[in-house]
Amino acid sequence: DAMVIQNPRYQVTQFGKPVTLSCSQTLNHNVMYWYQQKSSQAPKLLFHYYDKDFNNEADTPDNFQSRRPNTSFCFLDIRSPGLGDAAMYLCATSGRDYTYQETQYFGPGTRLLVL
Amino acid sequence: GNSVTQMEGPVTLSEEAFLTINCTYTATGYPSLFWYVQYPGEGLQLLLKATKADDKGSNKGFEATYRKETTSFHLEKGSVQVSDSAVYFCALSALGGGFKTIFGAGTRLFVKA
Repeated sequence: DAMVIQNPRYQVTQFGKPVTLSCSQTLNHNVMYWYQQKSSQAPKLLFHYYDKDFNNEADTPDNFQSRRPNTSFCFLDIRSPGLGDAAMYLCATSGRDYTYQETQYFGPGTRLLVL
Repeated sequence: GNSVTQMEGPVTLSEEAFLTINCTYTATGYPSLFWYVQYPGEGLQLLLKATKADDKGSNKGFEATYRKETTSFHLEKGSVQVSDSAVYFCALSALGGGFKTIFGAGTRLFVKA
């Protein structure tokens, strides 16, 4: 089945130690998103890629970076995790052009714990 | 700007009870409207959607009708099950919204056997 895959499902890192979360998709969607979600609150959009075009949200800390080497893969890099970065990180995709909206398809998420 | 407001939870119901979770929105133009469900420890799953006024989205016994006159998209189910316990998010996606989906705060549903 076509899907959005996130690895790992659980990640433990140390305060200040860089960590990378990965997302892959078999939907061939051109848009990929990274969200941060705390305690079943609404997901907070960090950034998205439209193809190779990177779009950062204005309030996303510089500590968060992203890479999209190809259509299928997208990575979230947290350069120096703080205790406040402990959260669920959700990857999502959508197939979209500039004229209409599309459904987002979410991966299962990676729960990050910072010690 | 665009926004979504949904009823606060938690909502606690007995099995086979009727469910309504209210959702209203503010948007320019003609947004698409969605309900997503999140089970414990999982990502969000699309439950249903509607893309124009008077459309009814339905899935797994859940329904919601896009009401432009009241800017609402209330989620309903006639008979809930324990397995429906989850967090439900109302959301909109609007043309010109810069590829953003705007989520409501989420409503947690508990269903007791």
